[in-house]
Amino acid sequence: GAGVSQSPSNKVTEKGKDVELRCDPISGHTALYWYRQSLGQGLEFLIYFQGNSAPDKSGLPSDRFSAERTGGSVSTLTIQRTQQEDSAVYLCASSSRRTSGRAPYNEQFFGPGTRLTVL
Amino acid sequence: DAKTTQPNSMESNEEEPVHLPCNHSTISGTDYIHWYRQLPSQGPEYVIHGLTSNVNNRMASLAIAEDRKSSTLILHRATLRDAAVYYCILRDPRYSSASKIIFGSGTRLSIRP
Repeated sequence: GAGVSQSPSNKVTEKGKDVELRCDPISGHTALYWYRQSLGQGLEFLIYFQGNSAPDKSGLPSDRFSAERTGGSVSTLTIQRTQQEDSAVYLCASSSRRTSGRAPYNEQFFGPGTRLTVL
Repeated sequence: DAKTTQPNSMESNEEEPVHLPCNHSTISGTDYIHWYRQLPSQGPEYVIHGLTSNVNNRMASLAIAEDRKSSTLILHRATLRDAAVYYCILRDPRYSSASKIIFGSGTRLSIRP
């Protein structure tokens, strides 16, 4: 079936502009995660959704970052007044609690990411 | 989540086995050992996970020390497509059910043709 998809694949913006990044999780996955990866750095957790609620927002770096999820499916990560240090690849992942079939317990499936460049 | 320690980088030859070590001396009795890998310009992908016994799947094998303080991911016959950053992660399902993964710096594996 279809995997996690993200759009756009690349986004170039000017400092101070707002950007929206979209994630379409695997159908039926109740959990959705946002991570980011700065150039040459490791993966940094941002926020986690279970359904439409976000029980863990601990990784959001500032109040310029927000995210929402509607209908238990699509999620949007919004960065307001972008700064150059926001440049990174933003990755989305989804998971279910299935323990049967090919997917092991709590495996996270990642999308290809959105590369954000703030000039 | 407990911490893991991995070498920053490793090199191997194509078509030879690769053993990627991971130390996790503070592992708790309920921590599962997970491995993910990240191919160039892609998101991470799940490789394998285990608790106590050695595990095998189509991608790799996971050998877990008897005291569980270390583990080794084994790629039986490396190909150029296995060049990636490999992450060893501990997750306690009692607390991390459907929650975030804490990625360390991983091991960057290079494969020589």
